[in-house]
Amino acid sequence: EAGVTQFPSHSVIEKGQTVTLRCDPISGHDNLYWYRRVMGKEIKFLLHFVKESKQDESGMPNNRFLAERTGGTYSTLKVQPAELEDSGVYFCASSPRQVPHGSYTFGSGTRLTVV
Amino acid sequence: DAKTTQPTSMDCAEGRAANLPCNHSTISGNEYVYWYRQIHSQGPQYIIHGLKNNETNEMASLIITEDRKSSTLILPHATLRDTAVYYCIVRDVFSSGSARQLTFGSGTQLTVLP
Repeated sequence: EAGVTQFPSHSVIEKGQTVTLRCDPISGHDNLYWYRRVMGKEIKFLLHFVKESKQDESGMPNNRFLAERTGGTYSTLKVQPAELEDSGVYFCASSPRQVPHGSYTFGSGTRLTVV
Repeated sequence: DAKTTQPTSMDCAEGRAANLPCNHSTISGNEYVYWYRQIHSQGPQYIIHGLKNNETNEMASLIITEDRKSSTLILPHATLRDTAVYYCIVRDVFSSGSARQLTFGSGTQLTVLP
């Protein structure tokens, strides 16, 4: 089966611009998660979708970040306006609704650089 | 979720067993021990998990002490491709419905040397 796909793999934007990251989960996976690692820090949870609904968005850093998952398929994470501290690697993961252990599958991430 | 403590880094010779320790002294009875790894430029990858019994799969073995306060991930024959950051994660798992997120710590940078 196809894995979790993230696009783009790299993005370089200027401070103040807008960037939209996309995640295509494994087909049929109801759970979709966004994580990020900023330079020198640990991987941190951002939010969790169950189908199209936000289950937990406690990790979203501020209102410059907007995540959507229309139709419960792919998800987008928009950063507007981007700040320097938003630079890092953004990971997406998906899992089936009933989560057998270890069923999280991560994408390869989008490396975002804000200059 | 209980907090975990891991060494910052470890080296291992290629072909030898890599033993990665993890302390989780505050683990509760319903919490599992998970191991993930992140190879450079890739997303985290599940390795193995356990509750109280030792576990083995095609990737690794997991040894959990009887008091469950610590565990060791064993890669029996490390290769250069096993160089990665290894994360020990302790978490409760919902019995139904959607699962909560993973909480990553700093992990252990394992370097397999030729």
